[in-house]
Amino acid sequence: DAGVIQSPRHEVTEMGQEVTLRCKPISGHNSLFWYRQTMMRGLELLIYFNNNVPIDDSGMPEDRFSAKMPNASFSTLKIQPSEPRDSAVYFCASSQGKSYEQYFGPGTRLTVT
Amino acid sequence: KQEVTQIPAALSVPEGENLVLNCSFTDSAIYNLQWFRQDPGKGLTSLLLIQSSQREQTSGRLNASLDKSSGRSTLYIAASQPGDSATYLCAVRPSGGSNYKLTFGKGTLLTVNP
Repeated sequence: DAGVIQSPRHEVTEMGQEVTLRCKPISGHNSLFWYRQTMMRGLELLIYFNNNVPIDDSGMPEDRFSAKMPNASFSTLKIQPSEPRDSAVYFCASSQGKSYEQYFGPGTRLTVT
Repeated sequence: KQEVTQIPAALSVPEGENLVLNCSFTDSAIYNLQWFRQDPGKGLTSLLLIQSSQREQTSGRLNASLDKSSGRSTLYIAASQPGDSATYLCAVRPSGGSNYKLTFGKGTLLTVNP
């Protein structure tokens, strides 16, 4: 299996622009997680999907952030409009079930200038 | 709210040395604890997972221990090698309905010098 796939790997954008991050989970996994990693706050869970349904979005920082999972093999995290403080590494992870081991993608490094 | 602390934040050792990384957590109601490795520009790779009922887990040169009652875990690396250089993260998973929610420490940056 190719593992969790994320794109793009790097994204540089200007403040105010829309940013879309993409994730393809491991085939057969029904749980998907989006995390954000910063030096100040470490790794934080943004949102958790189970069977394509958002279960916990309490970690989404504000309304500028939205996430979708239209099918079992694809998810997006969108930031609109982006701000410099959104600069971070965004990870997607998937697992066979909510309490099973999570497998992480390589991350997307986002820089907002 | 669960808080996970890792000490030290950074560690530099000569090759061949045995070392210990520390992780502490504030809420002992955990389902399991996991140690990850993160290389620069890469995702997280799971190293060891200890269930709440276990005391330790071993994999090769790595040994992780768990003392749930005191809220502590250690990762022991024997005979360190330059290839062990990475950031090591611990994460705890709560017991109960929110057991999908990993809480991570900020990591220990390990450098093993040849």
